Amino acid sequence: DAGVIQSPRHEVTEMGQEVTLRCKPISGHDYLFWYRQTMMRGLELLIYFNNNVPIDDSGMPEDRFSAKMPNASFSTLKIQPSEPRDSAVYFCASSPPDRENTEAFFGQGTRLTVV
Amino acid sequence: SQQGEEDPQALSIQEGENATMNCSYKTSINNLQWYRQNSGRGLVHLILIRSNEREKHSGRLRVTLDTSKKSSSLLITASRAADTASYFCATGGTGNQFYFGTGTSLTVIP
Repeated sequence: DAGVIQSPRHEVTEMGQEVTLRCKPISGHDYLFWYRQTMMRGLELLIYFNNNVPIDDSGMPEDRFSAKMPNASFSTLKIQPSEPRDSAVYFCASSPPDRENTEAFFGQGTRLTVV
Repeated sequence: SQQGEEDPQALSIQEGENATMNCSYKTSINNLQWYRQNSGRGLVHLILIRSNEREKHSGRLRVTLDTSKKSSSLLITASRAADTASYFCATGGTGNQFYFGTGTSLTVIP
């Protein structure tokens, strides 16, 4: 397996534009997580899914953020409209269903810059 | 916030020395994990310790867990320049989610 795949790796956009980040989890993993990393706030859990269903989205900062998982192999995180303070590295991670050994596998991240 | 905190925030040591970093957390846990992040990359899982374990080893890594103090430590023995990275602890929530600490930036000087 190629691991968790995120696209794009880098995104530069203007304030007010819509941004869509994509993630392909590892096949067979039924948990998917979206994190945001900034110097000021560290790694924040935004939302996570189990079997394609959103379980906890309490970390989503504002209504401008939305996430979907239409099937087991694809998830998106959308920001509309984007703002400069959304600039961060966004990570997607997936983990297998074994609750006793819940290692998370991370993608390489999407570095988002909103100007 | 359920995030833990690592201590120190930054650590600089000479190659061959041991590096110790600590993690404190707030809630009861099922397990605690340590991850490593190289600059500009995703996080990589290092080791998991369950709440009923007190110590665990993996190669040059030694992790301890004290649930009464809600703290854990990661020891890297005989450090190498390639160990230079940020290290994070992660604790689980009531579901299967992970909350990460603030991280320790380790620099190993050759």
